[in-house]
Amino acid sequence: AQTVTQSQPEMSVQEAETVTLSCTYDTSESDYYLFWYKQPPSRQMILVIRQEAYKQQNATENRFSVNFQKAAKSFSLKISDSQLGDAAMYFCAGAIGGGTSYGKLTFGQGTILTVHP
Amino acid sequence: EAGVTQFPSHSVIEKGQTVTLRCDPISGHDNLYWYRRVMGKEIKFLLHFVKESKQDESGMPNNRFLAERTGGTYSTLKVQPAELEDSGVYFCASSRQGLGTEAFFGQGTRLTVV
Repeated sequence: AQTVTQSQPEMSVQEAETVTLSCTYDTSESDYYLFWYKQPPSRQMILVIRQEAYKQQNATENRFSVNFQKAAKSFSLKISDSQLGDAAMYFCAGAIGGGTSYGKLTFGQGTILTVHP
Repeated sequence: EAGVTQFPSHSVIEKGQTVTLRCDPISGHDNLYWYRRVMGKEIKFLLHFVKESKQDESGMPNNRFLAERTGGTYSTLKVQPAELEDSGVYFCASSRQGLGTEAFFGQGTRLTVV
């Protein structure tokens, strides 16, 4: 079983500033992946960034980076130089390996990010 | 390349009626997933197809829900008869591989049962 928790229902940031979205997870598996997905208003969810559990190095995609703390089971998303287009609902998700559950995503509750001009 | 498409985008039906949701995955994606988000709650997994076979249907809430994926292409999710608690947004996602690869999502079908 796996659980994912996002404790921040809403966050806001000024344009060009940096914001960090929090996510914690729990799993007994050793093989798993963690993801951040973004869902802009009235649009489909898209992948922002992904982290393999066996990799110690934090994933980075342009202005988006994660702070993966495996021992603490924490997986936060940092958005640097925030832009108006970053405004969206952000979902943290995990997928465990093996068995029949491979690829199945377990989602957190989501965090609504507002970007102020 | 066309993305994942879902039909209809919205559906309002009365309790007791039947509704069928459709998902067209990205061509070549063997893995197809259905998820649901009930108002105010997190997105929950419903089931997973690999080609035309049900790999995991542990998230299906009850036998009023029936999913099919004929020929390993598009998938349908039928709710019969619909109940008020079935209201929510139903998402479909597809991926080429399973674990760790990017899942591409459709825009979702907002189902309202009145």
